[in-house]
Amino acid sequence: KNEVEQSPQNLTAQEGEFITINCSYSVGISALHWLQQHPGGGIVSLFMLSSGKKKHGRLIATINIQEKHSSLHITASHPRDSAVYICAVRGSTLGRLYFGRGTQLTVWP
Amino acid sequence: DVKVTQSSRYLVKRTGEKVFLECVQDMDHENMFWYRQDPGLGLRLIYFSYDVKMKEKGDIPEGYSVSREKKERFSLILESASTNQTSMYLCASSRGVYQPQHFGDGTRLSIL
Repeated sequence: KNEVEQSPQNLTAQEGEFITINCSYSVGISALHWLQQHPGGGIVSLFMLSSGKKKHGRLIATINIQEKHSSLHITASHPRDSAVYICAVRGSTLGRLYFGRGTQLTVWP
Repeated sequence: DVKVTQSSRYLVKRTGEKVFLECVQDMDHENMFWYRQDPGLGLRLIYFSYDVKMKEKGDIPEGYSVSREKKERFSLILESASTNQTSMYLCASSRGVYQPQHFGDGTRLSIL
């Protein structure tokens, strides 16, 4: 059983569409991370949040602690947004990260 | 910016070889991590280290060992490589346990 579940596993969109990726978790957490992995492997951190909502450019991340759920939204999607998006939660003990399996997003022009 | 450098992007080794994967970070981070990433499974923690000469097992340590002789360098060792260790290996570091992790570009390892 995975502590972090992401959906969908794969997502295809046309340029300009609004994208939502969901993440549910089952462990107590101190923070939730959204990560982006481009082809080639490198992973970059997009957001770290423990409550509410954060926005960076066209990306918005929300978290509902009571429901143990987070969403990553991309407004006006662009082909350069094509990547794997990974949800990771930081456990409340030891600070370990637990990772979702990732969502492969492909945005077509 | 934090830089986490993994020694190789691609590596091909043979079954039974001893394999060393090197990771260096330049920001004096206390914590370093080794993960492997496989299709459909996501990232899984192999080993981590909170300080020099300290190491802790992650979720899948079997067949691996690590070495941290200096703060900036964390090495992953495959004692006797096997084909089921073919994978993408990612190193990460963080300043504190509750700080964001910074990842290297990964090493795609193939064991033939």
